[in-house]
Order: sequence, then structure tokens, then C-alpha cells
Amino acid sequence: QVQLVQSEAEVKKPGASVKVSCKASGYTFTRNYIHWVRQAPGQGLEWMGIMNPIDSSTTYAQKFQGRVTMTRDTSTSTGYMELSSLRSEDTAVYFCARDIEYSTSSGSCDYWGQGTLVTVSS
Amino acid sequence: DIQMTQSPSSLSASVGDRVSITCRASQSISRYLSWYQQIPGKAPKLLIYRASSLQSGVPSRFSGSGSGTDFTLTISSLQPGDFATYYCQQNYITPVTFGPGTKVGIK
Repeated sequence: QVQLVQSEAEVKKPGASVKVSCKASGYTFTRNYIHWVRQAPGQGLEWMGIMNPIDSSTTYAQKFQGRVTMTRDTSTSTGYMELSSLRSEDTAVYFCARDIEYSTSSGSCDYWGQGTLVTVSS
Repeated sequence: DIQMTQSPSSLSASVGDRVSITCRASQSISRYLSWYQQIPGKAPKLLIYRASSLQSGVPSRFSGSGSGTDFTLTISSLQPGDFATYYCQQNYITPVTFGPGTKVGIK
């Protein structure tokens, strides 16, 4: 069965970086784009960007341009999202999610990771 | 960016009730609209994509309709596990954007 398993919760200081991992199983990793979505405490969902696992090409939301980097390791079927220059407003649960379409991006996500809480605090 | 709004922001209903949630886009998005259900502490779950296509494994009491700027999610007979927050999402253009959510609570 398809699973996306994310790394454990992190606590970071303002100005630091965090790298969240998303290990895929149960399907061919390179066939589906990976999205990253975050959710601040008690708030709604915010799309951060998308990565094509075949060639690691990315599209980032303008809000995160320059601070976010999405990468992958096809040998371990793992995607990564690194966010730098952290501030308190980045405290959120970060989700990875698989696009429903094969080899293209539809924007709809059919499988999600369990979420990784990133807390930014001095 | 395309702005998404939802109404109502919250509602109270009973098991067996028919519930409808509306989503509006700030510009036409054709039928590039998805609906998700989120239970507190859990990841979102895809219910509907392309405005009206039911995701595999989702009960048929969930349905979606609409095109252009106005969309509706309907739950024909609310079940205990349906008390959750529902989000619409446009995937017509990047950045993908979500509505603010509609919380469905128990009356």
C-alpha cells in the first residue's frame, strides 16, 4: 500500500534551517510529483511547492522563494524539503503529499505523510 | 494568486442531515477544484477532484459540483466520522491555493 512516512518533529532557533524528509513506499517514486503543504497551529492549509522526482525540477510558491529547497534521493525514494532563515511564523506542521496524476501535476493530492511539526523558538 | 473563499465558516448538524458547503474562486478555474476532509491531528484526505470526481474509497454520500468560480460539496447523509473541517483547493494555476476551511460540528 502507498505510504509516505515523514521525519520526526524538530525544534529550531530563529535563523536556523530545517530539513524534513518524506520516504515513499508502495509505488514507483518517480511516477508522481510530490507537493509540500504546511499548516500553522489552528490555521488552514498553505501550499509551499512541488517537485518532479524524475528530474528534481521544482515550482515554489512566491512566498517561499529563496528560502525553500525541495530535493529527492531516488535511491531511497525519499523527498526532502529544506526551509532556511526560520522565524516564529514558520512554526507549523509540514506535510508531503503525492500528486494523484502520473508523470504530471494535477494539484490534487491522494496520499499524504503524517506531518512533521517544526517549532521555531528561541 | 487565486483567492478561495468558503461558506459557511462553520456549521452544526446532526447525524443523517444533508450538508452543503460552498467554495468560490476569485477567477474562473474551470473544474480544477478539489475537496479535502481533515480530522484534527490528521493529514487531509482527498474526497473529490476535478470538481465532481469521487476519489477511490470515498463513500458515495460525498459529491461535488460546479465549474468556473462556484462549487459545492454535498454530504447527503452526515455520518459520525464526517465531523471534521473541509477545505476546497484550486489547482488551475500555481500557486495552488486552499479555502479557509469549513468546520462541521455536532448539533
